[in-house]
Amino acid sequence: EDKVVQSPLSLVVHEGDTVTLNCSYEVTNFRSLLWYKQEKKAPTFLFMLTSSGIEKKSGRLSSILDKKELFSILNITATQTGDSAIYLCAGGLQGAQKLVFGQGTRLTINP
Amino acid sequence: NAGVTQTPKFQVLKTGQSMTLQCAQDMNHNSMYWYRQDPGMGLRLIYYSASEGTTDKGEVPNGYNVSRLNKREFSLRLESAAPSQTSVYFCASSGVLFYPTWLNEQFFGPGTRLTVL
Repeated sequence: EDKVVQSPLSLVVHEGDTVTLNCSYEVTNFRSLLWYKQEKKAPTFLFMLTSSGIEKKSGRLSSILDKKELFSILNITATQTGDSAIYLCAGGLQGAQKLVFGQGTRLTINP
Repeated sequence: NAGVTQTPKFQVLKTGQSMTLQCAQDMNHNSMYWYRQDPGMGLRLIYYSASEGTTDKGEVPNGYNVSRLNKREFSLRLESAAPSQTSVYFCASSGVLFYPTWLNEQFFGPGTRLTVL
């Protein structure tokens, strides 16, 4: 059975801290690893990673994939209160449009 | 360009009542999905439709049915609602498959918050 596990499930930090969110996966016919940010409503897309070792960056957010060890991390530097959200990672399957989601990490940034 | 739209936004049902959640997308996507989200459980796939005319079960299909009405619309029906179906329901869509590049990014609607009493 395909499985994606995120850790920690919940994290509270102070504004300005750097955080690392973890995502490990066991997905047959793995194609890609996706990160989403969910504030009050719908998840919004952050990154899609398909190649090992190549970092993707968007402002203060960055992510990298390790296909040998089957995990990905999402880093957020100089956190702001607007980064407070649930962060979801998902495994994408080769040849199919299905995603398998992890439980999410609830990140809270305190001022 | 509205993206993915869902109706209704909120709904309260009594146990045993039926209802249909509606979803439409205007991005000409082939694939559409229904998820439910419960606290601490992430998103769980209920049903999906890889292309018009096809539907498949996801991880948690029991108690639900779907209809892919046309390329734009994908509805989710609860025939006899139960309190365990209290959840937030998200519809999503994703683009065309291109071999050898498979697109997995999904675009989500705003969600329907359903309470079953």
